Parts: sequence; structure tokens; C-alpha cells
Amino acid sequence: AQSVAQPEDQVNVAEGNPLTVKCTYSVSGNPYLFWYVQYPNRGLQFLLKYITGDNLVKGSYGFEAEFNKSQTSFHLKKPSALVSDSALYFCAVRDGNDYKLSFGAGTTVTVRA
Amino acid sequence: DGGITQSPKYLFRKEGQNVTLSCEQNLNHDAMYWYRQDPGQGLRLIYYSQIVNDFQKGDIAEGYSVSREKKESFPLTVTSAQKNPTAFYLCASSSGAVGPQHFGDGTRLSIL
Repeated sequence: AQSVAQPEDQVNVAEGNPLTVKCTYSVSGNPYLFWYVQYPNRGLQFLLKYITGDNLVKGSYGFEAEFNKSQTSFHLKKPSALVSDSALYFCAVRDGNDYKLSFGAGTTVTVRA
Repeated sequence: DGGITQSPKYLFRKEGQNVTLSCEQNLNHDAMYWYRQDPGQGLRLIYYSQIVNDFQKGDIAEGYSVSREKKESFPLTVTSAQKNPTAFYLCASSSGAVGPQHFGDGTRLSIL
């Protein structure tokens, strides 16, 4: 079985400060990890993925994530947050080549001006 | 532009009625998916299809049905057996299992 935990329902940061959204996962095989962002009444937009290789993954809009196998974590980071980054963020995991993707409950990010 | 189109954006269902949500993609993806989103619960998989004329149940398939007669289309029917259908429904597609899933903008279903 595969699962994802996003331990924080909400993250609040000031514009220009670093942003971190936490994610831990559980899979029986090799993890394929994804981050998505959702704006109100819209679908999910893909930000970045980890399949294999370098543990630091760079994605869209200045976001990056670090894969840590020993801690089974895949935290999303942005060095300098923007007000426009305010949205709902989802971490997701797939176990190897399984088509099924398991999502965390989501973290609401609010960036104040 | 390539993408996924879901229609309608808003849908209302009467008691005892079946309703069908449309999902069309022009990304030439083999795999398609239906998710249900409820506040605070993330996304839950209803059905998925790896290839035309084949589909599998996800985690919450009861009260739903799908078909996959064409590569581009994966409609979802919410039947009267689904007693709590009010939710935001999202359709997605991917190029195989490894590729990221691309999402439509959803259909919000409510009960009259």
C-alpha cells in the first residue's frame, strides 16, 4: 500500500521569505513523487516530480523539492515566496509503475504582502 | 493548445437521477483517471483506464460507472446509487504510468 502525509494543514509566510511545505510518504517499492498546486475552482497544475537521480529536483515557478530516502520525505521549497504562490499544494506518490497515484490531504499556503 | 476539457463546469442532480460528466483530452495520452475531491480529504481515485476499452476500479468506485470507447474520451456517470455525490470531480490523463498526470478544471456536482 502507498500513502502520503502532509503534516501541516496551513503554512503562512511573508512575501520574500523562504517557503517550505512538508511531505512524507510510504511505499513498498520505488517511490515516484510529485507536487501539484491548485488554485480555487481549478484543476491541479503539475510542479515537479522525482523518479530517480539527483535528490534535488527543480520545477516550475521557482519551486524545488528534496528527496530524502532515509526520512521518506519530499519537502517542497521556494527560496523567496510571492503573494501569487498562495494556493493549495498537494504531494502525491506512486509505487513504481503502478498507475494509481495517492495524494496527501493538501496544505494551504498563504503568503502575506 | 493541448489539454483536458471537462464539462459542464457546474452540474445539479435530482434525487434518483443519473448524471454524466464529460472528459476529453487531446494530449494523445493512453491513461485517463477520475478523482473526487472533498474539502480536507485530498483527491480520491474513482476509476482509471490504461488503454481504450479497459478500465479499473479505484478506491471509491461504488455508485459510479465509466466507459472508454475512444482514446480521447473518458465519461463518468454518477448513478443514483451514489448517496453522497456532492463534490468536485477532476479528470486527468498521463502518458503511461511514469508521466505526470495532467488535470482538467473540474466539474462541481451538487444535489437539488
